[in-house]
Amino acid sequence: GESVGLHLPTLSVQEGDNSIINCAYSNSASDYFIWYKQESGKGPQFIIDIRSNMDKRQGQRVTVLLNKTVKHLSLQIAATQPGDSAVYFCAETSYSSASKIIFGSGTRLSIRP
Amino acid sequence: EAQVTQNPRYLITVTGKKLTVTCSQNMNHEYMSWYRQDPGLGLRQIYYSMNVEVTDKGDVPEGYKVSRKEKRNFPLILESPSPNQTSLYFCASSVKGSRDTQYFGPGTRLTVL
Repeated sequence: GESVGLHLPTLSVQEGDNSIINCAYSNSASDYFIWYKQESGKGPQFIIDIRSNMDKRQGQRVTVLLNKTVKHLSLQIAATQPGDSAVYFCAETSYSSASKIIFGSGTRLSIRP
Repeated sequence: EAQVTQNPRYLITVTGKKLTVTCSQNMNHEYMSWYRQDPGLGLRQIYYSMNVEVTDKGDVPEGYKVSRKEKRNFPLILESPSPNQTSLYFCASSVKGSRDTQYFGPGTRLTVL
């Protein structure tokens, strides 16, 4: 079946460095992708999204890159801070199944002081 | 304050004892959804609702029921809980569907003995 996965389950970075979290998706019909952040004991929180007619989108300290050729999505966090420690999920949906959303299994980001 | 609330936050129950987890949102959102989160599996969609009296199955609907009699409420019902339904459950809502930003509740940790 269709799946959304992550290359690395855990990622440890030095405070102040940039973080890159990767995600692979398999449904070529997916055209809308979202990154969520989940802090310990809380529900997921929207970070940034991107539609398939774009290959890059920037927010505040975050950038999402989309490579449709290899079905790959990445989240870049600039100047990682302790507050960025969380589990990050990518998610996908398609226009044809606009009510359903598929989440990846998540990457835990930890920050070294 | 715009929010999604869930009750209870924690529940320990026994096999076969019917239970309901409530979900309520105060944002006048049309779309509501239930997810379960298990280690290594990420978030999986159980049921979703596009509007009042409109509900549909997600990826893992077996053993669950939902209802949407009012726009703000979307309860999750386990008629006969089993241990494999032990999980962390999240309710979410968005304006129209999965292609809009979803706002998640704080989660309900359910243990079925």
